[in-house]
Amino acid sequence: NAGVTQTPKFRVLKTGQSMTLLCAQDMNHEYMYWYRQDPGMGLRLIHYSVGEGTTAKGEVPDGYNVSRLKKQNFLLGLESAAPSQTSVYFCASRPLARPSGNEQFFGPGTRLTVL
Amino acid sequence: AQSVTQLGSHVSVSEGALVLLRCNYSSSVPPYLFWYVQYPNQGLQLLLKYTSAATLVKGINGFEAEFKKSETSFHLTKPSAHMSDAAEYFCAVSSNYGGSQGNLIFGKGTKLSVKP
Repeated sequence: NAGVTQTPKFRVLKTGQSMTLLCAQDMNHEYMYWYRQDPGMGLRLIHYSVGEGTTAKGEVPDGYNVSRLKKQNFLLGLESAAPSQTSVYFCASRPLARPSGNEQFFGPGTRLTVL
Repeated sequence: AQSVTQLGSHVSVSEGALVLLRCNYSSSVPPYLFWYVQYPNQGLQLLLKYTSAATLVKGINGFEAEFKKSETSFHLTKPSAHMSDAAEYFCAVSSNYGGSQGNLIFGKGTKLSVKP
């Protein structure tokens, strides 16, 4: 199993450009998450999904959109990138079943720079 | 609402010394608690987790943590630091109650440096 994968690994954008980050998981997990990590801020939740076709806002959703058309994929979109969106983005997933105590499994991250 | 406070954004220890990374949580409902580790330029990897079974939890790489409800703490320890332990460590809290959807709330992280 590949676990959680993210595409691309690195990206440089100019202000105002758009892009989509792709997260894929092969563990048949119901829940998927997008976080951003900034120095000294820990991980902050952008959006999450509790199942195919559903999405919900997290702590810092402004400037981002998401879609979960297939259970295994969770897309994060930036419609008009801003320098404040320069960050490392992590995707995570977890199963619906609770015995694991809500442990999440993380992807390797995407490093995004907006100039 | 739940929250996590990690005391000390940077901790430096000598190789072979005790590692102690502090985590205090706030939760009005029974919590699940986690420690994740992030090595440079990598994703997060689970070190250990507390899920209301034993209060002393053993994890990978010789780390352990003790859940102390009276102190609302979940400190991470390792008796003897190794150079390979240099990384950033994140404490996180979650719950299945109160409409939280089981989301993780992370602390801001502690960077551990190990001196030879």
